Amino acid sequence: DQQVKQNSPSLSVQEGRISILNCDYTNSMFDYFLWYKKYPAEGPTFLISISSIKDKNEDGRFTVFLNKSAKHLSLHIVPSQPGDSAVYFCAAPLYNFGNEKLTFGTGTRLTIIP
Amino acid sequence: DSGVTQTPKHLITATGQRVTLRCSPRSGDLSVYWYQQSLDQGLQFLIQYYNGEERAKGNILERFSAQQFPDLHSELNLSSLELGDSALYFCASSSGSQFSYNEQFFGPGTRLTVL
Repeated sequence: DQQVKQNSPSLSVQEGRISILNCDYTNSMFDYFLWYKKYPAEGPTFLISISSIKDKNEDGRFTVFLNKSAKHLSLHIVPSQPGDSAVYFCAAPLYNFGNEKLTFGTGTRLTIIP
Repeated sequence: DSGVTQTPKHLITATGQRVTLRCSPRSGDLSVYWYQQSLDQGLQFLIQYYNGEERAKGNILERFSAQQFPDLHSELNLSSLELGDSALYFCASSSGSQFSYNEQFFGPGTRLTVL
């Protein structure tokens, strides 16, 4: 049962344009969402997060939007840069007094074309 | 550099064998998590330890076990290895606060190849 889904395995975007990565979830218990970025031969690194009490969170070139009614979130990167080429994972935790399970999507490989 | 270290970086072994993967968390972090990433899959949560005790369990096979030692490093033991166990195994750590979600910091992973 894939509770966090990223339906686009790959995405190519021209440098300077906007990259939009999408994520859907099915579990209504999720109330916090994260995006991780992963380069080859490295572990995932935290990029940006959003709480379910918000519908938007911005950090520099990165903005995450949350649509709770649609159970959908998206990551916008603008302008896209070559260093943004990586695999992006959407994730959601279930946590309860220190017990935590982080559920990841399958990832989207973003390639920025110079 | 996340501050989480994992050894070894690569491991090649044969079916039926047993291996141990090691993780040292960031200084001060009490929680350690193990994840498995198979080919073209997302990271699958295996298990969480907090200050030496098991806290949460995912779909971890019975052939797999983990522990966290008094110095807070953790080991993931994989036994009776099968071809399908070939994957990247990531360790993550967090402060382990009980009152909010704790950001997890990931190590570089151990690539296990079972031949």
